[in-house]
Amino acid sequence: ELKVEQNPLFLSMQEGKNYTIYCNYSTTSDRLYWYRQDPGKSLESLFVLLSNGAVKQEGRLMASLDTKARLSTLHITAAVHDLSATYFCAVDPGYGGSQGNLIFGKGTKLSVKP
Amino acid sequence: DTAVSQTPKYLVTQMGNDKSIKCEQNLGHDTMYWYKQDSKKFLKIMFSYNNKELIINETVPNRFSPKSPDKAHLNLHINSLELGDSAVYFCASSQAGPLRQFFGPGTRLTVL
Repeated sequence: ELKVEQNPLFLSMQEGKNYTIYCNYSTTSDRLYWYRQDPGKSLESLFVLLSNGAVKQEGRLMASLDTKARLSTLHITAAVHDLSATYFCAVDPGYGGSQGNLIFGKGTKLSVKP
Repeated sequence: DTAVSQTPKYLVTQMGNDKSIKCEQNLGHDTMYWYKQDSKKFLKIMFSYNNKELIINETVPNRFSPKSPDKAHLNLHINSLELGDSAVYFCASSQAGPLRQFFGPGTRLTVL
C-alpha cells in the first residue's frame, strides 16, 4: 500500500525566511502533485511533477521531484503572510485502475508571521 | 464560471438518514472523483469514475455509492448515515492521464 509522509506537519515561519517541506512516499511513482488549501476552502493545484528531476517554480514556491529517493520538496523563499495555508503533497499510484486515485500526505500547516 | 460545483455546501442530518451530494463539472473532463476530508484534514480517495470504469477504494463502506447520470456529473449517495461520516466531501475532475485534478468547493456533512 502506497504511503505518503510529509514533514513537518506544522511550520511557523517569519516573513522573509526560507524553508523546505518534505514529502516521502513508499512505492515507485513518477507522478506527484502539490496542492494548497486555505482554511475552509477547497484545494488549489500548485504543481504537477511527472519525471525524475522535475523542478517547477511559481513565485516564492519551488517544487522538485527525485523519484529514485521517492522524495519531493516544496521550497519556500522569502516567505510572506499570504503563503499561510496547508500544503498537501499527493502521489498517483499510476498503475492499473488506480491511476488518478491520489494518495495524500497529511498536509503541512504553514503559518507565516511578521 | 465555476469549474467544479457541489451542492449542497452544508448538510446537517440525523443518524440513519439517507442523503445525496451532487457534483457537476463543466471542464469536459473524462474522470471524476470523490474524496473525504476528516476533522484532522486528512484527505482520502473514495471513488474515481470515468465513462468506462468505477474504481472503489476498498475501505469505503458499501453505504456509499457514486452515481453518474452523465459525463459531467458524479453524485454521491450515502445510506444509513453514521456519526463517523461527518466530514467534508470534495468532488474533483481531471482529464485522463497524469494531469492535475480540479476540486470542487466541498460539502460539509454533519451527522447528529
